[in-house]
Amino acid sequence: AQSVTQPDIHITVSEGASLELRCNYSYGATPYLFWYVQSPGQGLQLLLKYFSGDTLVQGIKGFEAEFKRSQSSFNLRKPSVHWSDAAEYFCAVGREDTGRRALTFGSGTRLQVQP
Amino acid sequence: DVKVTQSSRYLVKRTGEKVFLECVQDMDHENMFWYRQDPGLGLRLIYFSYDVKMKEKGDIPEGYSVSREKKERFSLILESASTNQTSMYLCASSLPGLAGYEQYFGPGTRLTVT
Repeated sequence: AQSVTQPDIHITVSEGASLELRCNYSYGATPYLFWYVQSPGQGLQLLLKYFSGDTLVQGIKGFEAEFKRSQSSFNLRKPSVHWSDAAEYFCAVGREDTGRRALTFGSGTRLQVQP
Repeated sequence: DVKVTQSSRYLVKRTGEKVFLECVQDMDHENMFWYRQDPGLGLRLIYFSYDVKMKEKGDIPEGYSVSREKKERFSLILESASTNQTSMYLCASSLPGLAGYEQYFGPGTRLTVT
């Protein structure tokens, strides 16, 4: 069965610093991969997605992620973090259950931004 | 903009009560989902529906049921609430096909069972 691991429960970075959030997946075939963000009091929002093709994908809010098949990873990056990026970030892998598409989420990484 | 609304932001119920959580989406999406979110566990899929009156079990369906009588509305039912069902419940919707992975989420209902 597919699974997603986010090894960092909580990360703190300074405003303006770079950010990398780690995600590892377990999936037999070529995965469909996603990052979602949950800002305080908000629903989850899709940041970016990978289906195929270029392994470096760009998302909203200046985020990008790189798919590395050899490492089974899909890490999220941002060159310069803003205070408004403080949120919880979830990596997810797409799956098909009885032909229906659904997501398996990781446990999340909470990002704190220091001024 | 897609809007997914959930009937309550906060709910407190007693053990053994029957609980209904309602979700409505306004973008004519075929797929709808119910998740629960717990610290350290992320989001876990309870049930999903890909059409009116159709449902599929997710990863943790025990103790829950669902109803989808209209396309825009997807209800989660706790037949007899228990304290271990205290959690944040998130509803989502999406289009069919590969777009089904691009889910739009509601703000969540924080349910406390005492």
